[in-house]
Amino acid sequence: EVQLVESGGGLVQPGGSLRLSCAASGFTVTKNYMFWVRQAPGKGLEWVSVIYGGGSTSYADSVKGRFTISRDNSKNTVFLQLNSLRAEDTAVYYCATDWGFVYWGQGTLVSVSS
Amino acid sequence: QTVVTQEPSFSVSPGGTVTLTCGLRSGSVSDSYYPSWSQQTPGQAPRTLIYNTNTRSSGVPDRFSGSILGNKAALTITGAQADDESDYYCVLYMGGGIWVFGGGTKLTVL
Repeated sequence: EVQLVESGGGLVQPGGSLRLSCAASGFTVTKNYMFWVRQAPGKGLEWVSVIYGGGSTSYADSVKGRFTISRDNSKNTVFLQLNSLRAEDTAVYYCATDWGFVYWGQGTLVSVSS
Repeated sequence: QTVVTQEPSFSVSPGGTVTLTCGLRSGSVSDSYYPSWSQQTPGQAPRTLIYNTNTRSSGVPDRFSGSILGNKAALTITGAQADDESDYYCVLYMGGGIWVFGGGTKLTVL
């Protein structure tokens, strides 16, 4: 059974950093697309980033240069490093996998506020 | 401005049929955009119903179906039930490693 468990969210000041984790089970992260999607309070879903099985990465323009996606193959875990955080980055961050975003985690809340 | 367009809201009667659409501000949606549809109720994570235009995720009842209708992707719900009342999001692959979600449709069953 595919499971995704996000962690690492919290309250951070503007300009600060956080690292989110997505622990995967039931499959191997190196053999699949791994996505990060976020949802600001009361808003819709926004695609943030992807890491392909081969290790290539891609980002939405809104986070390019500030966020970095990576993975630890030995831990079967994907990360999202959030730097230079802004108030508008406040959101629930979801991890999802498989082409078409077939499987989703439960999300982790990131709040950026002074 | 929203690149991927969805109806902000829609209503359907219990037992009725509704078709939600997913379009582009400029251009037509085709299978090459690999449209997916997800359902989300308040406070819950999204659940993907359909991917690759018309493939149902495991466990999704066959009253949910996906297609291309004209120049848009479409999600059709037949025999609507009360617990279908949710937000529905489409997402399109734009190429170049970029995906874009639509703004979502709030479906009311009444």
